Amino acid sequence: GEDVEQSLFLSVREGDSSVINCTYTDSSSTYLYWYKQEPGAGLQLLTYIFSNMDMKQDQRLTVLLNKKDKHLSLRIADTQTGDSAIYFCAVSIYNQGGKLIFGQGTELSVKP
Amino acid sequence: EAGVAQSPRYKIIEKRQSVAFWCNPISGHATLYWYQQILGQGPKLLIQFQNNGVVDDSQLPKDRFSAERLKGVDSTLKIQPAKLEDSAVYLCASSSPRGRNRFGPGTRLLVL
Repeated sequence: GEDVEQSLFLSVREGDSSVINCTYTDSSSTYLYWYKQEPGAGLQLLTYIFSNMDMKQDQRLTVLLNKKDKHLSLRIADTQTGDSAIYFCAVSIYNQGGKLIFGQGTELSVKP
Repeated sequence: EAGVAQSPRYKIIEKRQSVAFWCNPISGHATLYWYQQILGQGPKLLIQFQNNGVVDDSQLPKDRFSAERLKGVDSTLKIQPAKLEDSAVYLCASSSPRGRNRFGPGTRLLVL
């Protein structure tokens, strides 16, 4: 089945850019998502990209998709302390009814 | 548009007891999902409903977990009897056809 992998931790300084990476195994992934989860809170959808796109930009967020390498990244420009959270990559698979396969999450720590 | 509602928000039980969680999806969303998120991991699908029929329950521990979606709207997830390893956040999500998963706030279960 599909497997989604993320690095577990990332630490950056306030004002720097953060890049969170994700790899997946199933080439029939249709939509790829980034969710944010703050301590004790639910999942907040940040952005998503369709599999026929290479890049999507939304304010401080840039998503890059390399289909050949099955690699997805999320870049956060001008990272703020409020961006400290766990970020999950998730993929949906064509013809599997919309269920999501999640990575284990990357904990982003932003130091002032 | 009201979001996905879940109750209770928190539950503490002892092992071997029973517990039930309730989910009310977004109005008009035919697909409903239950995910389990163990501390330090990404959410994993337990069961997916399309209207009141089960689409995927391959990851549901059927010896102790059960779920139903009567009349294709609200859903209940039950654990009987609970084990220590069932301590997790139980997330309900719903989606329209080809729509994105919209998540509720989750129910945090602690089994002692």
